[in-house]
Amino acid sequence: GAVVSQHPSWVICKSGTSVKIECRSLDFQATTMFWYRQFPKQSLMLMATSNEGSKATYEQGVEKDKFLINHASLTLSTLTVTSAHPEDSSFYICSVPGGGTIVEQYFGPGTRLTVT
Amino acid sequence: QKEVEQDPGPLSVPEGAIVSLNCTYSNSAFQYFMWYRQYSRKGPELLMYTYSSGNKEDGRFTAQVDKSSKYISLFIRDSQPSDSATYLCAMKKGGGNKLTFGTGTQLKVEL
Repeated sequence: GAVVSQHPSWVICKSGTSVKIECRSLDFQATTMFWYRQFPKQSLMLMATSNEGSKATYEQGVEKDKFLINHASLTLSTLTVTSAHPEDSSFYICSVPGGGTIVEQYFGPGTRLTVT
Repeated sequence: QKEVEQDPGPLSVPEGAIVSLNCTYSNSAFQYFMWYRQYSRKGPELLMYTYSSGNKEDGRFTAQVDKSSKYISLFIRDSQPSDSATYLCAMKKGGGNKLTFGTGTQLKVEL
């Protein structure tokens, strides 16, 4: 399966600042990547679908102006949390679909964001 | 009502026990059923997936899907301490890539 990396693995930022999280598909060209958020003891919730060469598609209830997504290339998608607040503290995980008839998604190791 | 329901646990079993993990769902459009394992502070990794109803076995793991009851299960035989993790069920409709996850069941296998 695809190997997916995320950077940073852990970040602490002050309230009101912006944080950028990178998701890289190391061995697979991905026209689509997914961004999830996971709060403690809760399920992964899909935030948005990142599309190479076009705008991201956001799930209902996710503020697109707060969570900026840029799919810069076939191997890189970035999520920027703008004007972060403590309630944005969460585990952010990206995934890459297997493609074709493969139904699996391959997940990155996640980024833990703490906003103080 | 959530589309996918999963008991969060925690579930604690002795080493060697058979573990049964379950999810129920309400959307009959789901056709692909997956089980992911997630260690603490790591991304999920796919264990198994099943298309439609039936059973699938892979080593110590068996996945079952009963679409008539909207109920899926994952069985772990001869459980090991290294199986201690959170197990998430996930489901997908026939088209598209969107996965809908359960909340995950935290499993602890004790020596």
